[in-house]
Amino acid sequence: TQLLEQSPQFLSIQEGENLTVYCNSSSVFSSLQWYRQEPGEGPVLLVTVVTGGEVKKLKRLTFQFGDARKDSSLHITAAQPGDTGLYLCAGLMDTGRRALTFGSGTRLQVQP
Amino acid sequence: DAGITQSPRHKVTETGTPVTLRCHQTENHRYMYWYRQDPGHGLRLIHYSYGVKDTDKGEVSDGYSVSRSKTEDFLLTLESATSSQTSVYFCAISDGEGVETQYFGPGTRLLVL
Repeated sequence: TQLLEQSPQFLSIQEGENLTVYCNSSSVFSSLQWYRQEPGEGPVLLVTVVTGGEVKKLKRLTFQFGDARKDSSLHITAAQPGDTGLYLCAGLMDTGRRALTFGSGTRLQVQP
Repeated sequence: DAGITQSPRHKVTETGTPVTLRCHQTENHRYMYWYRQDPGHGLRLIHYSYGVKDTDKGEVSDGYSVSRSKTEDFLLTLESATSSQTSVYFCAISDGEGVETQYFGPGTRLLVL
């Protein structure tokens, strides 16, 4: 059982459409991060959210951390082909262990 | 880009043979991690290190061992490779300060026949 559940697993949309990716858990996280990974490369950090209810914007990407710090969402406005990739959420639990727990990922394909 | 290299980048080996993957960093970061990535599973932590000679197990540590004799190098060893260890292996580093931010290497693609 995955501690962090991501949905959807796959998403294929047309350029210009909006989309939302969800990351849910029954556990509380002290912080939550979103990474993007392109084929043949390692994940690259997009954003970190640390406060319940926090919203961060990165150009057309909006990230939200749930009030209870158990879930997060990533919203992309007017998706571009360059947004294509694997999006991973990762949470840090407040256990003293500095080890991230990753979700299973959402593979996004944006068609021109 | 954080200075992280992994070697080899690709390896094909046979079941039962030992395999060692190397992660090298030039950032002097305290924490180093080994993950494996398989379809449908995201990234799963194998082992991590919080200092020279200090390591801890992750969620999928069976069949793997690690060593860190220098700050810059973190080795992952498959003592006797099995087909279930076919995967892409990523190394990551972090400075362990404040909010956890991990920087990933380019990955090693391992095929066990």
